[in-house]
Amino acid sequence: DADVTQTPRNRITKTGKRIMLECSQTKGHDRMYWYRQDPGLGLRLIYYSFDVKDINKGEISDGYSVSRQAQAKFSLSLESAIPNQTALYFCATSDRQPFGNEQFFGPGTRLTVL
Amino acid sequence: AQSVTQPDIHITVSEGASLELRCNYSYGATPYLFWYVQSPGQGLQLLLKYFSGDTLVQGIKGFEAEFKRSQSSFNLRKPSVHWSDAAEYFCAVAPAASGTYKYIFGTGTRLKVLA
Repeated sequence: DADVTQTPRNRITKTGKRIMLECSQTKGHDRMYWYRQDPGLGLRLIYYSFDVKDINKGEISDGYSVSRQAQAKFSLSLESAIPNQTALYFCATSDRQPFGNEQFFGPGTRLTVL
Repeated sequence: AQSVTQPDIHITVSEGASLELRCNYSYGATPYLFWYVQSPGQGLQLLLKYFSGDTLVQGIKGFEAEFKRSQSSFNLRKPSVHWSDAAEYFCAVAPAASGTYKYIFGTGTRLKVLA
């Protein structure tokens, strides 16, 4: 079984709709991250969480929100989706120091906003 | 500002040929360095990482990378490419300090392998 899973794997939605992307992990890691990948731009950090009560904005958090429901679950929400949020979204996890810094990625969710 | 540069957007090599993918970073101190591979439709898989010590790092799938402090580079190499190596490759850096968390990714290099 995969250590980091994401649901759905693909989603097509319309402008203005609320959508939630979910991430679950069985690695027992404290830290979780959400990235988006756009062609030619690499991966950019949206939000990250060090534990259930510690959530922080990344470099491109506008238009997104997150929820850390449990150590193993970290959800990303688009409250009102817009076309330029069409991208590939990745969840990642890492252990705390000194084992931190190596991140483990889920398979990604391809989101299309029409 | 911290940054990672992968100057080659696309690279095409013949199967069996050698490969070098370039990565340069801009950061005040030596960061942690990583190479990830993303196969089509897949997530990112760690190929190798450098934290400290020997500057030549061996990874999975026959890849290696060399950290050169004087050049702020961490280039990825493979002596003989296989068709299955066709993928996108990302270099990433993370500050080498306690409580670090942020990866800075390069924009990626897409590798095409000719039969």
